[in-house]
Amino acid sequence: DQQVKQNSPSLSVQEGRISILNCDYTNSMFDYFLWYKKYPAEGPTFLISISSIKDKNEDGRFTVFLNKSAKHLSLHIVPSQPGDSAVYFCAASLKTSYDKVIFGPGTSLSVIP
Amino acid sequence: DGGITQSPKYLFRKEGQNVTLSCEQNLNHDAMYWYRQDPGQGLRLIYYSQIVNDFQKGDIAEGYSVSREKKESFPLTVTSAQKNPTAFYLCASSIRGAGYSNQPQHFGDGTRLSIL
Repeated sequence: DQQVKQNSPSLSVQEGRISILNCDYTNSMFDYFLWYKKYPAEGPTFLISISSIKDKNEDGRFTVFLNKSAKHLSLHIVPSQPGDSAVYFCAASLKTSYDKVIFGPGTSLSVIP
Repeated sequence: DGGITQSPKYLFRKEGQNVTLSCEQNLNHDAMYWYRQDPGQGLRLIYYSQIVNDFQKGDIAEGYSVSREKKESFPLTVTSAQKNPTAFYLCASSIRGAGYSNQPQHFGDGTRLSIL
């Protein structure tokens, strides 16, 4: 039973347009959420995070939105660039189990020049 | 230049053989983790360690073993008891427990293990 879901395995977006990657979770006790980006044959790298006490966090072209009532978060990339083509993992952690981070299955983003 | 080094990049295992995957970090991080990634799935936690000489099982520890004799090293052994070891293995580290201090994990570039 996946606690963190990314229902779109892949997404294609034109360069310059907005990319929206979605993530749903089932455990209302998650209190911190992270997005990681992964290129082929490399390990994931941290991108952006958000605490459950916030509903938005912005870092340059990347913005994460959190809707706790819907148990949904999304990552917006504006404008999308070809170098953004990668697999994006959504992850969540529990304050009461601070060692464990639950990862979603990932969404592969392709930004078309 | 600080980071996490995993070796080898590719590894082949024969039936009944134990193999050890290396993970070294020079980030001075306390916590280290091993994950397994299978196609279409997220990263699943195998083992993690918060301090030297201490480690805990993750969600899929069966068939695996680890040691943490030094702060910078966290090798993973895939034993013959692991019946489906073919996967991409990722090692990670963080300053403290990944959820406790909300510090993101830093990952190595992975080891791809295949069965001969």
